[in-house]
Amino acid sequence: SQQGEEDPQALSIQEGENATMNCSYKTSINNLQWYRQNSGRGLVHLILIRSNEREKHSGRLRVTLDTSKKSSSLLITASRAADTASYFCATAWPRDDKIIFGKGTRLHILP
Amino acid sequence: DGGITQSPKYLFRKEGQNVTLSCEQNLNHDAMYWYRQDPGQGLRLIYYSQIVNDFQKGDIAEGYSVSREKKESFPLTVTSAQKNPTAFYLCATSLSGTSGIAYEQYFGPGTRLTVT
Repeated sequence: SQQGEEDPQALSIQEGENATMNCSYKTSINNLQWYRQNSGRGLVHLILIRSNEREKHSGRLRVTLDTSKKSSSLLITASRAADTASYFCATAWPRDDKIIFGKGTRLHILP
Repeated sequence: DGGITQSPKYLFRKEGQNVTLSCEQNLNHDAMYWYRQDPGQGLRLIYYSQIVNDFQKGDIAEGYSVSREKKESFPLTVTSAQKNPTAFYLCATSLSGTSGIAYEQYFGPGTRLTVT
């Protein structure tokens, strides 16, 4: 399956610390996307990184992609209580407009 | 969630009844998607549509049906043939259309369906 697999499944850290989540996948991709979901809400797109890119930044978010290892990481720096959410990676096959979601990492920021 | 509305937010139905979930968008996006999310799980694709009057089955289409008569609307019907319909249903849109490239998706707020 093309499905990305996030690691860890759950993560609790103190406010102000950095949070790192990882995503591994099995076959070649066109791009990889990260989304956030607050409890009971729809998903919000965070970052899309293409297969020829190695790193992208957006505010406190940093995403890396290593196609040789078939893995990506999402780093949230200086975490805040509002970052408490589930984070999903989604992989896109070449020449396909669908994306496949992993099961997500549940992040809990402790006050 | 902006630009995509799903109604209602909560829906309760008796087993054996068909139910239709609404999804409307004003983003002028070609592609629309329906996903199902079960507790603690990721999203699974039910159906998607790249263009008006056309749609394809996703990974778990059995027991569901859709239509795409207008660009703005992509209703999902959960039929009595769906064995475990209780779930959180999410509608999404993207620019992808028939480009063969997966762009970012924009999600509605979701409908929580409970069937008893």
